[in-house]
Order: sequence, then structure tokens, then C-alpha cells
Amino acid sequence: DTGVSQNPRHKITKRGQNVTFRCDPISEHNRLYWYRQTLGQGPEFLTYFQNEAQLEKSRLLSDRFSAERPKGSFSTLEIQRTEQGDSAMYLCASSFGTTGTGEFFGPGTRLTVL
Amino acid sequence: AQTVTQSQPEMSVQEAETVTLSCTYDTSESNYYLFWYKQPPSRQMILVIRQEAYKQQNATENRFSVNFQKAAKSFSLKISDSQLGDTAMYFCAFKYPQGGSEKLVFGKGTKLTVNP
Repeated sequence: DTGVSQNPRHKITKRGQNVTFRCDPISEHNRLYWYRQTLGQGPEFLTYFQNEAQLEKSRLLSDRFSAERPKGSFSTLEIQRTEQGDSAMYLCASSFGTTGTGEFFGPGTRLTVL
Repeated sequence: AQTVTQSQPEMSVQEAETVTLSCTYDTSESNYYLFWYKQPPSRQMILVIRQEAYKQQNATENRFSVNFQKAAKSFSLKISDSQLGDTAMYFCAFKYPQGGSEKLVFGKGTKLTVNP
């Protein structure tokens, strides 16, 4: 069990640029989640996949954000035309089985938009 | 909408002592899940303990236990025999799987420092 991995761990970009983050869940986990965490706050839910299907999206996920999980394994989160308000830690998590088993989180990607 | 409140932004405890972190939540539902997550400095979030609302028995995991008061909508975490490695942010979280929702709602966290 290698855990949930995320790349890159840090990303610095200029306002207006596009960025893409990758998440590799624990291999047998069919559920994958993206959260955003700003300083001093708890994580906020962005979106959820079961296998390759995106089943839930938060209103926080504006049209500049898109997430995919094409083969039901790794996932990508893309932010287009980044804004300074997008600066945050982006967390990926995965789980297996029924609801309520608890998510396993990755180390996160810290995004800084200059 | 469901909300989670952690009223203690920071707490400290001496090594080997016991500390209790508070969490209250707001929901009108009867079947849901509650979690405590630990986020050590610069490290990833780890699930500490979970509770299913339909179970009356309080969950325990080694030195960690909860006091789940469903009527009061309270879900506190007790850490016994505190260790230096328990120093971390602790987040209380709630999940209500209505219509297939898998959203975890987190509180703002409590920063716990264990002093030697």
C-alpha cells in the first residue's frame, strides 16, 4: 500500500495561467475526492468520482475548474485562467467500499498564484 | 445545510495527560457518519476515528475515543496518555449520504500542542 500520491507537491504560477494537478489513489480504491484547503480552514469539498464517473460537484467548482478520471484510476484537476483566490492546498483522497468507511488523503498540492 | 463547529481554535496538554476536543454539528437527519481527522504539521491528513450515527456505542481506537451525544449533536474526541506525536491540527467532519452524496463537511479545526 503506497498511499495516495499527488503531483506536483508545489506549484507557483502567474495569474491567468492554466495549471493541472494529478492524483493517484490507492490502487483498489474506486472512490476519489478532491478538496481545497485554505490557511486556517478545514478542507472544502470540490468533487467526487466513483470509478470514472463524476457523481458530485460543489458549487465551489466554477467553470474554470475541471476534473477527470478517465480510466477510473488516476485523476486530474485543471484550473484555467488562475486567479489569486485560487491559491490553496488541493487535497485528493480515496476510499473503497461503502459510504462512511473514511477517506485516505494524499499530501496535497500547494498552489500559489502570483 | 449541515455545519460542523469546533469551538476551540487551540489547545495544549502535557505529555501523558488526557485532553478532550469538542465538536458540534447541525443536521436534521438521523443517519450519518462522523469522523475525526489528524493533520500533523506539513504532513497529510490521517483518519483517527469514525462513528456511525445509528450506533449508540462510542467508538474507540487505542488511545483515542469519542463521546457521541446524538441528541445534543456533539461528537468530542478524547486523547488519553497524550504523546508528542499527537501534536497536530484535528478536524471534525460529517458525512450525510443523501442521494449518493459523498461530501465530507469539515470544521475549522483545533490546533493541539502536546508539551513535554
